Amino acid sequence: QVQLQESGPGLVKPSQTLSLTCTVSGGSISSASYYWSWIRHHPGKGLEWIGHIYYSGSTYYNPSLKSRVTISVDTSKNQFSLKLNSVTAADAAVYYCAREEREAAPGTFAYWGQGTLVTVSS
Amino acid sequence: EIVLTQSPDFQSVTPKEKVTITCRASQSIGSSLHWYQQKPDQSPKLLIKYASQSISGVPSRFSGSGSGTDFTLTINSLEAEDAAVYFCLQSSTLPRTFGQGTKVEIK
Repeated sequence: QVQLQESGPGLVKPSQTLSLTCTVSGGSISSASYYWSWIRHHPGKGLEWIGHIYYSGSTYYNPSLKSRVTISVDTSKNQFSLKLNSVTAADAAVYYCAREEREAAPGTFAYWGQGTLVTVSS
Repeated sequence: EIVLTQSPDFQSVTPKEKVTITCRASQSIGSSLHWYQQKPDQSPKLLIKYASQSISGVPSRFSGSGSGTDFTLTINSLEAEDAAVYFCLQSSTLPRTFGQGTKVEIK
């Protein structure tokens, strides 16, 4: 059974960099069949897709965040990571990592992490 | 980017009633529309893929229809455990975008 687990600081100061890691277990992150995504959920609002990475390292970022986002992958650790710099209160959200089918059914996220709440405050 | 607009935003329903949620896309997306359910303090769960395709393990009372710009999620004979937020997601183009969500409350 594939499992994803987010980890990282729950509190980030304004203007600092938010850093989260997603550890994948029960399956290889190096599979050609998947994209590895970050998604966030602002309290009381909808979900926002941040971006995804392929095991080769190729990425696509949401244009709304592109200037501040970096997603990277470490295949040796079966992990992928999110960095969001220059955070503001608007970046406070629950951050999820998720696995998207790449070929068989793009857009289907069958596996998600449990989510981690990130607060932005000094 | 493609904007998805759901209606209604909120629905209060008695058990065994039928629930209908719609999702409208700002441009045609074919059948690249998926439905998810999110219960409090849980991660989203895939309910329907590609507008109308069922997902293994999801109760048969959940069904989807539509294509192009207009899509519908139907819950036949609502059960108490169906209280959740439902949202749609499009995979026609990048970036992926979500509807704003529809909260279903049990009366």
